Amino acid sequence: QQPVQSPQAVILREGEDAVINCSSSKALYSVHWYRQKHGEAPVFLMILLKGGEQKGHDKISASFNEKKQQSSLYLTASQLSYSGTYFCGTVHSGTASKLTFGTGTRLQVTL
Amino acid sequence: GAVVSQHPSWVICKSGTSVKIECRSLDFQATTMFWYRQFPKQSLMLMATSNEGSKATYEQGVEKDKFLINHASLTLSTLTVTSAHPEDSSFYICSAGGSSYSNQPQHFGDGTRLSIL
Repeated sequence: QQPVQSPQAVILREGEDAVINCSSSKALYSVHWYRQKHGEAPVFLMILLKGGEQKGHDKISASFNEKKQQSSLYLTASQLSYSGTYFCGTVHSGTASKLTFGTGTRLQVTL
Repeated sequence: GAVVSQHPSWVICKSGTSVKIECRSLDFQATTMFWYRQFPKQSLMLMATSNEGSKATYEQGVEKDKFLINHASLTLSTLTVTSAHPEDSSFYICSAGGSSYSNQPQHFGDGTRLSIL
């Protein structure tokens, strides 16, 4: 079953922060985060492998709560270039390498 | 630079035509590649897992006789949409990479936009 993301869509002004959540009904081995611009392939952002792990680069970071089967992506001081659709991709225990993509969150950053 | 190359990027053809899409890993050998389909404003849905030297594994609801997958070498997987119809029009994307239990990212091709008239 597909992981559910929230919110479905969000509009931000440049400089504002956002949180995108990803919730799975199955036990997770790892969570991947991708951003996709319209008409393009997804671009890898980061992987979270262990429960409770937090990773980040620049102003984008993420956390992984293995027990709750959830992950969150944090975007701080958003830039116009952050606009796009964000997908979490989950790898479940026992399904080596197979990514199941979440429902997606459309993010638009405006001036 | 790109580590996965997908070709062609855009195909427009008549109903009933078969269309072949290629996915190549450029810098590494990929025993496993994945094929996804994405309809407008929707998420990526995994169609099948392509396994080098053996049969592909299809997701539930994907017709294996319609979407033929061949993974004859460690760097090339092909997806053939046989007798394509307008409802097959979609964005098809392949990916490669990721070891067992995926602590490495998957790398995506640029996608193929298929339009069936």
